[in-house]
Amino acid sequence: GAVVSQHPSWVICKSGTSVKIECRSLDFQATTMFWYRQFPKQSLMLMATSNEGSKATYEQGVEKDKFLINHASLTLSTLTVTSAHPEDSSFYICSARGRDSYTDTQYFGPGTRLTVL
Amino acid sequence: QKEVEQDPGPLSVPEGAIVSLNCTYSNSAFQYFMWYRQYSRKGPELLMYTYSSGNKEDGRFTAQVDKSSKYISLFIRDSQPSDSATYLCAMSEGNFGNEKLTFGTGTRLTIIP
Repeated sequence: GAVVSQHPSWVICKSGTSVKIECRSLDFQATTMFWYRQFPKQSLMLMATSNEGSKATYEQGVEKDKFLINHASLTLSTLTVTSAHPEDSSFYICSARGRDSYTDTQYFGPGTRLTVL
Repeated sequence: QKEVEQDPGPLSVPEGAIVSLNCTYSNSAFQYFMWYRQYSRKGPELLMYTYSSGNKEDGRFTAQVDKSSKYISLFIRDSQPSDSATYLCAMSEGNFGNEKLTFGTGTRLTIIP
């Protein structure tokens, strides 16, 4: 149980385009979802936290107008990178937390590798 | 200074050896200490967590926290090739289920058969 999926697993796009990444909790309801970014040889950095039905809370230094987060249901959150540029190329990982004692921890998705040309 | 420091390695040890992985931190407010294992191109998987100082054992894995020294360790006994992965330490001030996690950079471990 407690499986989190992400789609796509990897994406290549041209500079200036927008990319949407989906994060789904497959077998539990996720009250909170987290979005992280991981650059090569660096640690995972939290970008934002989202609760179902509420606006996301962004970490300092993360542009909320560039990284749009929607947590429309208890099983789906999306991250849209708008007007992507090469410096946005990174590994984006989501995690999800459920509402019961078994899922009251962060379960991570497999990540999405974004390459912006 | 980073909040969490972790030697990125790489670390290579022969099969059956005891592995010691470590992190240091600077934020005295951290209360929860986690170790995650991450295989290549996969998301992190929670291995163990401890609350405050002390030791916790789970099979071949032992997590150790020394809050006075701001130092945590993960020991792997009887290491296996399947243990080859990147190991990330992470910490949080509150319950790590719904709190921001601060990660180390990860240590890449290879167990040589």
